[in-house]
Amino acid sequence: DTGVSQDPRHKITKRGQNVTFRCDPISEHNRLYWYRQTLGQGPEFLTYFQNEAQLEKSRLLSDRFSAERPKGSFSTLEIQRTEQGDSAMYLCASSLTGGNNSPLHFGNGTRLTVT
Amino acid sequence: SQQGEEDPQALSIQEGENATMNCSYKTSINNLQWYRQNSGRGLVHLILIRSNEREKHSGRLRVTLDTSKKSSSLLITASRAADTASYFCATDPYSGGGADGLTFGKGTHLIIQP
Repeated sequence: DTGVSQDPRHKITKRGQNVTFRCDPISEHNRLYWYRQTLGQGPEFLTYFQNEAQLEKSRLLSDRFSAERPKGSFSTLEIQRTEQGDSAMYLCASSLTGGNNSPLHFGNGTRLTVT
Repeated sequence: SQQGEEDPQALSIQEGENATMNCSYKTSINNLQWYRQNSGRGLVHLILIRSNEREKHSGRLRVTLDTSKKSSSLLITASRAADTASYFCATDPYSGGGADGLTFGKGTHLIIQP
């Protein structure tokens, strides 16, 4: 399967712990996006990369969140000192080009539960 | 805040009937896209319509776009049980050459009764 893959699928952690998620995009895609989705809502944009450069961050991305894409391939999203409000599905998506007319290809997400 | 708003929030119809969902948005756009999401899964791209297009078809899907009213509709004809899912519209806002993430609405949850 050459789609977008995310790991882990589920993560349960205690408040205050750090967590890290991984996303492997479709190999020829140079854009990679992170979204967060809570129950009953649509995905909310967090950040995106063009190759290894992080080009935009949403104001939703507090200083406890950091994302990297060190070699322009896979990406990691780390949340430090997790809070119960961080419980959500974290979705990764990739696209061949950014801007106009480029559909996103999503992974199946990492569901985070903070207890 | 989310740019697109789908209507209705939930829709339940009988198999074989047509399903229509609407989306309204606020700012100028480059294009509008529709995605489907099955429970617990990622989103799947269905169709993209550019700002200079008014209607587009793909299989049993028909999408319209009215930029003067800032609205779009998605029609699924001859619905099937497998169409049960949440449907989201997403806008690619015109940002003067910048490349931002898509902005999604809250979705329409569609249930097809067998």
